[in-house]
Amino acid sequence: TQLLEQSPQFLSIQEGENLTVYCNSSSVFSSLQWYRQEPGEGPVLLVTVVTGGEVKKLKRLTFQFGDARKDSSLHITAAQPGDTGLYLCAGAVNPPSGNTGKLIFGQGTTLQVKP
Amino acid sequence: DTGVSQNPRHKITKRGQNVTFRCDPISEHNRLYWYRQTLGQGPEFLTYFQNEAQLEKSRLLSDRFSAERPKGSFSTLEIQRTEQGDSAMYLCASSLEGGDTQYFGPGTRLTVL
Repeated sequence: TQLLEQSPQFLSIQEGENLTVYCNSSSVFSSLQWYRQEPGEGPVLLVTVVTGGEVKKLKRLTFQFGDARKDSSLHITAAQPGDTGLYLCAGAVNPPSGNTGKLIFGQGTTLQVKP
Repeated sequence: DTGVSQNPRHKITKRGQNVTFRCDPISEHNRLYWYRQTLGQGPEFLTYFQNEAQLEKSRLLSDRFSAERPKGSFSTLEIQRTEQGDSAMYLCASSLEGGDTQYFGPGTRLTVL
């Protein structure tokens, strides 16, 4: 069974602080997605990383895919109250039978940024 | 709006009743996925379609659950004889074949009393 361990589960910080969320697995994924979810809404895609070692930046957010494609991290610089939400990592399963695209999700990180 | 849409957004039902949810994917996407999310957890895969064919079902999908995508466009998820444990957010996502990136709808929140 493929699992994604996401940490920390909860994070409460002051505006302006930096933070990093980690996503780890013993399995290799063909790609990894990061989503952000607001209460009562569906996950909204932030980024997809595909290549081992890849780094992508989205304004104050930096995403990294591990060299072995088993882990990923999300770093937020100078967090703002608008960053508050649930952050989810999800790995795409790629069995020998072919790429189903089925996603395995981590448990999520609930981020609260206080003004 | 050309995103994934789901209806209804909220459903409250009594234990033992049947419910049906609908998902309309992004129009050119031939893959459609259903996930279930309980409070404080990440979504869990239920099933997926490529066009009208249901290609994989999770062990989470008991006999009371059935999903269809009759014309390869919209999909329905039916739960028969609902139980309180079925209370969750049911999410639909779509993607292009061969593409890993999935786009999610707003979800249907089911509450079973």
